[in-house]
Amino acid sequence: NAGVTQTPKFQVLKTGQSMTLQCAQDMNHNSMYWYRQDPGMGLRLIYYSASEGTTDKGEVPNGYNVSRLNKREFSLRLESAAPSQTSVYFCATEQGARGQPQHFGDGTRLSIL
Amino acid sequence: QKEVEQNSGPLSVPEGAIASLNCTYSDRGSQSFFWYRQYSGKSPELIMFIYSNGDKEDGRFTAQLNKASQYVSLLIRDSQPSDSATYLCAAHLSGNTPLVFGKGTRLSVIA
Repeated sequence: NAGVTQTPKFQVLKTGQSMTLQCAQDMNHNSMYWYRQDPGMGLRLIYYSASEGTTDKGEVPNGYNVSRLNKREFSLRLESAAPSQTSVYFCATEQGARGQPQHFGDGTRLSIL
Repeated sequence: QKEVEQNSGPLSVPEGAIASLNCTYSDRGSQSFFWYRQYSGKSPELIMFIYSNGDKEDGRFTAQLNKASQYVSLLIRDSQPSDSATYLCAAHLSGNTPLVFGKGTRLSVIA
């Protein structure tokens, strides 16, 4: 049981390049989330998908797009990467019923030069 | 703005002592609360959840919830160096909104 799988684990980009971070889950959860985590800033929600076919902006959506491809997969795209997007990105899933916890993938460490 | 607040620390405790981590939240309608542990360079890992007022124990961990005072705490008994990590508090606030995380408290257990 893999849980929440993120790919790639590490990536280095040049400013202006594009990149898609992938997240797949086998937990049959309805809701999926993308966070970024920077030192001293905690987890900041970028986008989320409460259910298949829906997406919503979180706290810091600028510079990102998302696609909920199906119930299992939720991707995060950087169209034109900027150094300010250097961060650790986490995908998380949640069953969707009120009061349930989120479960996290191992993260993607992204550096933009 | 609905918030979850934690002291960033670091909180230093000697090995074998009780570590007490605290969290306050702004939304009185909050219903469910979670504690995550995050080791350096790793992802957050769920360790406790609590929904009702009072205490909930799981091994060396006890979560305490006081809805009237709007705080939730995590006690770690017999602290070990392996407990050294950042602890994130999270809450489902009222309304159909995503889980809200605090910024975390860094715990250091000194051998």
